[in-house]
Amino acid sequence: EVVLTQSPATLSLSPGERATLSCRASQNVDSYLAWYQQRPGQSPRLLIYDASNRAPGIPARFSGSGSGTDFTLTISSLEPEDFAVYYCQQRSDWPPFTFGPGTKVDIK
Amino acid sequence: EVQLVESGGGLVQPGGSLRLSCAASGFTFRSFDMTWVRQAPGKGLEWVSYISSSGIIIHYTDSVKGRFTISRDNAKNSLYLQMNSLRAEDTAVYYCAREMFDENTWYRAEYFQFWGQGAPVTVSP
Repeated sequence: EVVLTQSPATLSLSPGERATLSCRASQNVDSYLAWYQQRPGQSPRLLIYDASNRAPGIPARFSGSGSGTDFTLTISSLEPEDFAVYYCQQRSDWPPFTFGPGTKVDIK
Repeated sequence: EVQLVESGGGLVQPGGSLRLSCAASGFTFRSFDMTWVRQAPGKGLEWVSYISSSGIIIHYTDSVKGRFTISRDNAKNSLYLQMNSLRAEDTAVYYCAREMFDENTWYRAEYFQFWGQGAPVTVSP
């Protein structure tokens, strides 16, 4: 089973700042990694798929990079609605599909 | 507009059963793989079960094998999760989700693009 770890657990930033979130896989997942956003009380939303492709309708301030075992989600300038929890998920070696534990981006 | 609406959640005693339903609309349901994902209170996301568009290929996470059964009725645009022998650790919000399809590129992949609002399941005496 591919284990995903995310860091940091919490990221405290101000609106307008840049956010950099990390996801590391326990084995090579090529580029088969996605990022999701979950706002409080809401269902998750797909942001990025295959490591670097924005899902339809996702703003350009969200970008993803990486391949193999190390991945990054970058939010170039935080908007108020971006304060949420972010999860990574792999589809390289399934079942099972696995998610990381999440990174919470909160307001500093 | 793609919509996924779960129902059937509730409070059940340990050892009991519950059947979740997910009503799909706004897309050709029979053409898409579907998945159940759950989230325990205050915790992260956990994949539970997958079913291919035809219903032929099915997978479960280890902790629910032999207890949960995923199924679908493509004529009714509906996805189901039959949950038996429920345990306290099954307490969670259960989401149904649809595989990703990018209409601009016709690219399809096993990520979860559309999610329902979630069905809460509480297993407690």
